Amino acid sequence: AQSVTQPDIHITVSEGASLELRCNYSYGATPYLFWYVQSPGQGLQLLLKYFSGDTLVQGIKGFEAEFKRSQSSFNLRKPSVHWSDAAEYFCAVGRSSGGYNKLIFGAGTRLAVHP
Amino acid sequence: DAGITQSPRYKITETGRQVTLMCHQTWSHSYMFWYRQDLGHGLRLIYYSAAADITDKGEVPDGYVVSRSKTENFPLTLESATRSQTSVYFCASTATKPGRSTDTQYFGPGTRLTVL
Repeated sequence: AQSVTQPDIHITVSEGASLELRCNYSYGATPYLFWYVQSPGQGLQLLLKYFSGDTLVQGIKGFEAEFKRSQSSFNLRKPSVHWSDAAEYFCAVGRSSGGYNKLIFGAGTRLAVHP
Repeated sequence: DAGITQSPRYKITETGRQVTLMCHQTWSHSYMFWYRQDLGHGLRLIYYSAAADITDKGEVPDGYVVSRSKTENFPLTLESATRSQTSVYFCASTATKPGRSTDTQYFGPGTRLTVL
């Protein structure tokens, strides 16, 4: 069965430090992958997505992610974190089934940023 | 302003009562989804719909009913609420068929439901 694992429940970084959030997926076919961010009390916003082609994907707010098929990973990175990046981050894999694009989400990683 | 809205944003109800959560989108997206978000589980799909009058079960459909008489509305009903249905509920929509690079699900702000 398809699944998404985000090994880190909570991560704390200092403002200006680099960030990497891990995501591993289990999916039999070629996956399409997403990272969403959820600010407190808000809905989810798409940061970036991978469908095919270049395995390094650029997103909004200075985020990027790299798809590594051999490791079944799609880790999210940012070179310098800002206090406003404090939020919860969700990795998801898109599964095409019966004509629908259903998303399977990881449990999320909550990011705290220290000044 | 165009977008996807949910109402109410907060709801407290009692066990056994019927509750309906509303979702409305102004983009005329064909596909709509209901998710619930629980600590440690991320988001799980409850029901989805490809068009008006076409709905299907997701991962956790038990205890929920949906309808879609109009493209822009996708209400979710808890027929007899239970405490285990205390959660945050998100509605989402997308215009694109699966597998296309333009596929993006847009999420509403969520409804926080508490069942006492």
